[in-house]
Amino acid sequence: DIQMTQSPSSLSASVGDRVTITCRASQSIRNDLGWYQQKPGKAPKRLIYAASSLQSGVPSRFSGSGSGTEFTLTISSLQPEDFATYYCLQYNGQPPWTFGQGTKVEIK
Amino acid sequence: QVQLVESGGGVVQPGRSLRLSCAVSGFTFSSYAMYWVRQAPGKGLEWVAVISSDGERKYYAESVKGRLSVSKDNSKNTLFLQMNSLRHDDTAVYYCAKGDPWIPGYGMDVWGQGTTVTVSS
Repeated sequence: DIQMTQSPSSLSASVGDRVTITCRASQSIRNDLGWYQQKPGKAPKRLIYAASSLQSGVPSRFSGSGSGTEFTLTISSLQPEDFATYYCLQYNGQPPWTFGQGTKVEIK
Repeated sequence: QVQLVESGGGVVQPGRSLRLSCAVSGFTFSSYAMYWVRQAPGKGLEWVAVISSDGERKYYAESVKGRLSVSKDNSKNTLFLQMNSLRHDDTAVYYCAKGDPWIPGYGMDVWGQGTTVTVSS
């Protein structure tokens, strides 16, 4: 099974900061990766698919990059509504498809 | 717009059964694969199952294989998760999610609000 290692597990940042979250895959997954945002008590919302494609309706301050085994989600200027937990998901090939452990973005 | 509404969660004793439903609207249900994903209290997300658009292909996480079964009724725009032989570690919020016309597509697109399953004696 492909393991996804997400880092950091949590971070504190201020409004306006640039934030970067990383996911590493245990083997190459090409660009078969998505990023999700989850707020407390709510369902996850997809931000990015195919490693770098922005989901319709998602603000352009969110961006994704990477391929193979290393991927990043960047928030260029953190906004108050961006404080949440973020997960990566690999969906390469056959199941199981696996999520990273999550990164909680908190207010500094 | 795309909407998914789960129901059927509740408190159930270990070893008993439960069936979850996910009613969808706003897209052609018969043309899309559908997912179940769960989240144990205070934990991360875990993919549980996926079913192809025509219901012919199904894949399961190892942790639920042989106990949970996914199905869909394209005439009623409804996805199901039959949960048998429930265990304490099945306690979670269960989400249904829309996929793409093919498996795995780009993973889970739009998600429902979730339904809570608690396995407790």
